[in-house]
Amino acid sequence: GENVEQHPSTLSVQEGDSAVIKCTYSDSASNYFPWYKQELGKGPQLIIDIRSNVGEKKDQRIAVTLNKTAKHFSLHITETQPEDSAVYFCAALPNTGNQFYFGTGTSLTVIP
Amino acid sequence: DTEVTQTPKHLVMGMTNKKSLKCEQHMGHRAMYWYKQKAKKPPELMFVYSYEKLSINESVPSRFSPECPNSSLLNLHLHALQPEDSALYLCASSQEGRAADTQYFGPGTRLTVL
Repeated sequence: GENVEQHPSTLSVQEGDSAVIKCTYSDSASNYFPWYKQELGKGPQLIIDIRSNVGEKKDQRIAVTLNKTAKHFSLHITETQPEDSAVYFCAALPNTGNQFYFGTGTSLTVIP
Repeated sequence: DTEVTQTPKHLVMGMTNKKSLKCEQHMGHRAMYWYKQKAKKPPELMFVYSYEKLSINESVPSRFSPECPNSSLLNLHLHALQPEDSALYLCASSQEGRAADTQYFGPGTRLTVL
């Protein structure tokens, strides 16, 4: 089955700086890669996703890049704000099923 | 509207109790999911319903019993739980239950088993 690794597990940045979270996956058949943000006491919220036919996708301060050859994808948050503080999960979905394989999560803290 | 609602928000139960968790979505999605999430861990898939039929059961103990009365509703019936079952239980839905469908999560039910 798919194995998704996520780094770092914790990340602290100063407000206004950029944050980068990286994930690697093992199954070359995976073709959908969402990123979820989970605030304390809430369910995960989709913030951006990318499919395997695209190398990069951007939505305002958030971007995701995908390297299919190396089997890794990254979340980039620019101009970080305190409200970006949360746990972020990456996930990979093989094209043969509907089961997400989640990374282990990154706890991001943005220091005002 | 991409909202999945879950009730109750919090639940405390004893090991001999029977209780139910409820999930509802009105996005016309045909796949619904139950996940269990322990603190500081990613969600773990428990069950998947696709077109109101159970399609995935990830070897979950029989003390958890899912039910999908219609395409908008998903229940999780709980009986004789153990303290280690205390966790955040998340419901999610997706359009068709196909590969690469985006899943939308509810806020979860925080379950404590005494």
